[in-house]
Amino acid sequence: EVQVVQSGGGFVQPGGSLRVSCAVSGLRFSNYWMTWVRQAPGKGLEWVADIKHDGSETHYVDSVKGRFTVSRDNTKNSLYLQISSLRAEDTAVYYCARELDWAGNYYFDSWGQGTLVTVSS
Amino acid sequence: SSELTQDPAVSVALGQTVRITCQGDRLRTSYASWYQQKPQQAPILVLYGKNTRPSGIPDRFSGSTSGNTASLTISGAQAEDEADYYCNSRDSSGDFAFGGGTKLTVL
Repeated sequence: EVQVVQSGGGFVQPGGSLRVSCAVSGLRFSNYWMTWVRQAPGKGLEWVADIKHDGSETHYVDSVKGRFTVSRDNTKNSLYLQISSLRAEDTAVYYCARELDWAGNYYFDSWGQGTLVTVSS
Repeated sequence: SSELTQDPAVSVALGQTVRITCQGDRLRTSYASWYQQKPQQAPILVLYGKNTRPSGIPDRFSGSTSGNTASLTISGAQAEDEADYYCNSRDSSGDFAFGGGTKLTVL
C-alpha cells in the first residue's frame, strides 16, 4: 500500500521561508515523478511544481518561479518544497502526490494528507 | 483565470445522471484527469485517460472527450458523490492546470 505522509508547514511571516516535506513508502520512489499542489482557503486546487524521478528536471507554475524550489532525496524516499519570499497569497494547504503517465496522459494518484502554510504578520 | 473552465456548481437528484464538464484548448491534445474532493479531505483520483477508473472507484463514474471539452458523468448519483470535482491536464511545456472546480450537490 502506498503511503504519503507530509510534514512541515506552520506560521511564517511575509518574506520568510519554510520547507514542507513528503515521506513516501510502499513504492519504488525513485521511479516516479512527484508533484506539488496547493489550495488556498476556500479556493480551488492549483498545481505548483513537479520533479522528475531523478531530480534532473523540474517545472513550476509562473507565480512561484524563483521563490519555490522542489527537490527530492531518493535515498530517503522523500520529496521537499522549499518556499521562500512568502506572500500572503501563498497561504494554502500544500499537497504532494505521485505523478503518473499513461500513454502521454498524466494524472496524480497517492496524495498526501496536506500541510497548512499560513503567511501572516 | 484558469486555462480549464468548469461550471462552478451543478446539482442532481439522487439516482439520476449528471455530467460535469471541463473546457480548454489543451484538451484537444491531452485527456483530462478528474479528482473528487470532500470537505477537509485530500483530493482523490476518480478518472484518467480516455475513460479509466482507478481501483476502488465505482463504475457509475465515466468520462469522455469531444473537441476541447472533457466530461465526467456520474450515472445514478449517490449521496456520497456530493463533493467538489476538479479536472486537470498537462500542456506541451510540462505545466499542469486545474479547472476552477465544480461543486456537486445531490438533492
